[in-house]
Amino acid sequence: EAGVTQFPSHSVIEKGQTVTLRCDPISGHDNLYWYRRVMGKEIKFLLHFVKESKQDESGMPNNRFLAERTGGTYSTLKVQPAELEDSGVYFCASSQKEGKGFRTTEAFFGQGTRLTVV
Amino acid sequence: AQTVTQSQPEMSVQEAETVTLSCTYDTSESDYYLFWYKQPPSRQMILVIRQEAYKQQNATENRFSVNFQKAAKSFSLKISDSQLGDAAMYFCAYRSYGSSNTGKLIFGQGTTLQVKP
Repeated sequence: EAGVTQFPSHSVIEKGQTVTLRCDPISGHDNLYWYRRVMGKEIKFLLHFVKESKQDESGMPNNRFLAERTGGTYSTLKVQPAELEDSGVYFCASSQKEGKGFRTTEAFFGQGTRLTVV
Repeated sequence: AQTVTQSQPEMSVQEAETVTLSCTYDTSESDYYLFWYKQPPSRQMILVIRQEAYKQQNATENRFSVNFQKAAKSFSLKISDSQLGDAAMYFCAYRSYGSSNTGKLIFGQGTTLQVKP
């Protein structure tokens, strides 16, 4: 079974340009999360999808970031226009749907996309 | 708000020896899980071990074990018989299952573990 995959693995763009990151979760996982690690700091939550709906986007830094999850499958995270402080590693994770009496206690991560804005 | 702190940016261990990575957290909730994730260089992060807050017994997975001190809000990871493949960045993480449960993980800053042959 394929794990969580992210594209591209690396991206170098100039300030002011647009970049789109993609995440393909594990098939059947309803939950999809985006996280970011900036310059050796802790990994921070950006947002959470349940299927195609945004459940929590409290971690999105500003309106230059736009996340979508088409049809509840793959997700994209667009940064437009990119700024220097957006550089970092962007992680995607997915997990199974939770239900009554059932807890999901493991999130599966992709390898991350390293974004460098110059 | 919940926080997770890893105070050791880097650690090193000799192959076959034992090393302990520290993690402290802060929460006012009683229903939560703690995790240790491992990220090898340029590879995806994988779950090493998890601990449910309600369980007093420390979790163990082969050479990996935790020392969970709930009152002290401490959650350290012990790696026994260290192997070269254990070299990675290790992240401590917290997830609430209580009133603030949103499914998100709260991470520490990470500890880079070097294993010397």
